[in-house]
Amino acid sequence: QKEVEQNSGPLSVPEGAIASLNCTYSDRGSQSFFWYRQYSGKSPELIMSIYSNGDKEDGRFTAQLNKASQYVSLLIRDSQPSDSATYLCAVTSYSGGYQKVTFGTGTKLQVIP
Amino acid sequence: KAGVTQTPRYLIKTRGQQVTLSCSPISGHRSVSWYQQTPGQGLQFLFEYFSETQRNKGNFPGRFSGRQFSNSRSEMNVSTLELGDSALYLCASSLTAGESIQYFGAGTRLSVL
Repeated sequence: QKEVEQNSGPLSVPEGAIASLNCTYSDRGSQSFFWYRQYSGKSPELIMSIYSNGDKEDGRFTAQLNKASQYVSLLIRDSQPSDSATYLCAVTSYSGGYQKVTFGTGTKLQVIP
Repeated sequence: KAGVTQTPRYLIKTRGQQVTLSCSPISGHRSVSWYQQTPGQGLQFLFEYFSETQRNKGNFPGRFSGRQFSNSRSEMNVSTLELGDSALYLCASSLTAGESIQYFGAGTRLSVL
């Protein structure tokens, strides 16, 4: 089982719809959770972070965390073509005395105009 | 404030050669992490350096090595290149060791022929 799993997609949604991106992780001790956006040919950029159970909203983005289910999601409301990118879920945990960050393989989102 | 700078942006090498990639972190950031990104495996952690010391290491063979200088600039070296080493190599900087929030450079695209 991979440490951080994401559906590779592509996930296609029409413009204006809600895009829902999901991520599961295997280490129950994981503490911090992040969503990065990566446009084709570009480097990842951080868009959301969440540390406790529940929802965290930032503009059109909402991150949801459920530690009991080991599940984190990202909702994008009013999706725009400019949201078309690969979204990477990242999870931090401790290993060998060090904090490490593990990335999922990413979900490709396509927003259709 | 300048971002993370990686050089060179593109490299073409042949099997058996070695290569050195460079990363200059954001000013004031003292931690540098290196990742390998391939379509099938996603972002995979190579190692993290802080204060010229390797703090953490991923599951890569010893052909992959790195170092960090007193000005926090970091280099990554790959010896005896293999075809499978073709990938995008990303460097990320953060303020301190084990910092969850990372800022990525544009990457070095390495092609091994």
